[in-house]
Amino acid sequence: GDSVTQMEGPVTLSEEAFLTINCTYTATGYPSLFWYVQYPGEGLQLLLKATKADDKGSNKGFEATYRKETTSFHLEKGSVQVSDSAVYFCALSGGGSYIPTFGRGTSLIVHP
Amino acid sequence: EAGVAQSPRYKIIEKRQSVAFWCNPISGHATLYWYQQILGQGPKLLIQFQNNGVVDDSQLPKDRFSAERLKGVDSTLKIQPAKLEDSAVYLCASSGGPGAPSGELFFGEGSRLTVL
Repeated sequence: GDSVTQMEGPVTLSEEAFLTINCTYTATGYPSLFWYVQYPGEGLQLLLKATKADDKGSNKGFEATYRKETTSFHLEKGSVQVSDSAVYFCALSGGGSYIPTFGRGTSLIVHP
Repeated sequence: EAGVAQSPRYKIIEKRQSVAFWCNPISGHATLYWYQQILGQGPKLLIQFQNNGVVDDSQLPKDRFSAERLKGVDSTLKIQPAKLEDSAVYLCASSGGPGAPSGELFFGEGSRLTVL
C-alpha cells in the first residue's frame, strides 16, 4: 500500500538557519503530495501541496518540489523563525489508495 | 468560513468506560475522516465517510469503536469499552468543497483522550 517516510526528529535549529526535512513516498499511480503543519495545541493545517511531477509548492517561505524520479518531496526554508517551531507532516493522496496517508511527523524546534 | 468543530477537547476516563466524540465538518464538505494520532506518530485513518456512507473503515477496531454520520453532516465516534492503548488525539477532518483537490484536508483541533 501507499506509505510516507519522514526523517526522524526533533530537528533543532537556530533562528535564520536553513531547513530541510526529508520526505520520501511509495505509491502506485500519480499521487498528490502535501505538507501539513501542526502548531502546539492546534490541529493540522495545510502548508503546501503539489499535484504532479516537477511541481513546486510554496507558502510562508517554505518550498517543496515533487520529484517523481526520486519519489521525494523534501520541505525547505531558507531562514527559519522561532514561530516556525511545530510538527511537520508529509502526506500523499490519490496514488494506489484514495486514503490520505501521513508520515509520522518531524518536530522542528527553532531557538532564538 | 467556519472550520471543523470538534468536542470535547479533552476527556479523561477509566479503562472499560465509554466515550463519544463529536465532529461538525465545514459546510458543504462531502467527505469526513476520523484519524487517531498517538503521541509521536502520524495520524492513522480510522474511518472515512462520503456523505453518510462509509468509504473505508478497514483500520477501525470494530469490536470497540463505532462511528456514524447521520444525514451526511456531523459525525460521532464512540469507544466502548476503552483500553489504555486508546489514549490518543482523535482528529476529525473534512474535504470535498468545490474545486478542492483530492487529499486536501481541513482538520479540527482534535479531542485528546486519556485512558487511566
